[in-house]
Amino acid sequence: QKEVEQNSGPLSVPEGAIASLNCTYSDRGSQSFFWYRQYSGKSPELIMFIYSNGDKEDGRFTAQLNKASQYVSLLIRDSQPSDSATYLCAVHSGGGADGLTFGKGTHLLIQP
Amino acid sequence: DGGITQSPKYLFRKEGQNVTLSCEQNLNHDAMYWYRQDPGQGLRLIYYSQIVNDFQKGDIAEGYSVSREKKESFPLTVTSAQKNPTAFYLCASSIRVGEPLHFGNGTRLTVT
Repeated sequence: QKEVEQNSGPLSVPEGAIASLNCTYSDRGSQSFFWYRQYSGKSPELIMFIYSNGDKEDGRFTAQLNKASQYVSLLIRDSQPSDSATYLCAVHSGGGADGLTFGKGTHLLIQP
Repeated sequence: DGGITQSPKYLFRKEGQNVTLSCEQNLNHDAMYWYRQDPGQGLRLIYYSQIVNDFQKGDIAEGYSVSREKKESFPLTVTSAQKNPTAFYLCASSIRVGEPLHFGNGTRLTVT
């Protein structure tokens, strides 16, 4: 059974600080990694995706992937109250023709 | 604008009735998916389809059925055999399996 683990939180971060969200996965063959943001009652929206080891930056967001340690993280710089949401980590196992496996999400709360 | 349309937004049914949730996309994506989300749970894959006239069971397919007669459409039927059908149902699509998912706005189904 493929598993994706996230700390459920809430993770409380002061406005303007860096929020760090972490995710671990069980399938060593996983090849694609995604971060989604989900506001309460809404559908998930894609924030970042990463396929290779290392860092990938997009504006205030940085995704980090370490396949050897089987973890992926998301950093949010200059956190804003509008970043308060649940962040879902999702993983796709390469070679398998199936959907993404999602973690249960981390609830992030940015304190003004 | 391209996107994924799910209808209706809210759906109420009596126990023992089958109900069909609609999902249409105009993104020209090959792959489509149905996920279910329960409070405190991550997204769980019900069914997915890589191409027209083909679909595969996900992790929790029991009590559900789908069809993929057109590229644009992937309706989900929740049958009376589904023991706990009340949930938030999310349809998604991607260019191909393993690529980022784009979600519709979801259908919240309540069965009493």
